Amino acid sequence: DAKTTQPPSMDCAEGRAANLPCNHSTISGNEYVYWYRQIHSQGPQYIIHGLKNNETNEMASLIITEDRKSSTLILPHATLRDTAVYYCIGVNSGGSNYKLTFGKGTLLTVNP
Amino acid sequence: GAVVSQHPSWVICKSGTSVKIECRSLDFQATTMFWYRQFPKQSLMLMATSNEGSKATYEQGVEKDKFLINHASLTLSTLTVTSAHPEDSSFYICSAPDRAFVTDTQYFGPGTRLTVL
Repeated sequence: DAKTTQPPSMDCAEGRAANLPCNHSTISGNEYVYWYRQIHSQGPQYIIHGLKNNETNEMASLIITEDRKSSTLILPHATLRDTAVYYCIGVNSGGSNYKLTFGKGTLLTVNP
Repeated sequence: GAVVSQHPSWVICKSGTSVKIECRSLDFQATTMFWYRQFPKQSLMLMATSNEGSKATYEQGVEKDKFLINHASLTLSTLTVTSAHPEDSSFYICSAPDRAFVTDTQYFGPGTRLTVL
């Protein structure tokens, strides 16, 4: 799986967009980019994933660069409840059992 | 999305006793589940892969005789911490892939906080 690099922490004002970057320069062609977040003392929560195209769901948008070496998770209108550690993880496709390797992630703090 | 539950949510036990933690997939079947451990201010570390109907696969450095895993059905995996000691105090989290997606998106339980006195 690709090694990912994220900033250790970020701050965002409530109501503003939060843009969380992730570098994955060694990602292979069949690896998806997955984003999870972990609110304090809870299990991780799936947010979104993508392969090549940009993706959007009810939680967030995922922008993947054309060369797939980096991506950005966008929370369009951050709320205080979005304060969490956000993890960017490369995952092989194919439907086989796989393991998630969690890095240190980015601690996003949403301020009032 | 798919729902994974864990029980109990927290447990306190005396040193030397055994503790069982259950992980259930509530609205989907999971032939594979994963167990993670998380110490304070650290990231999740994979402990083992639980396989329905066969032996679990443990990560390097995880004692299989201490952390017993049983995957008795397609919706239930259990982790038993045997002869627990204070250093086993941690946040234990399970996950299960929902094969409704091409890439087996994993869903996580809420975690179990174990405190060994």
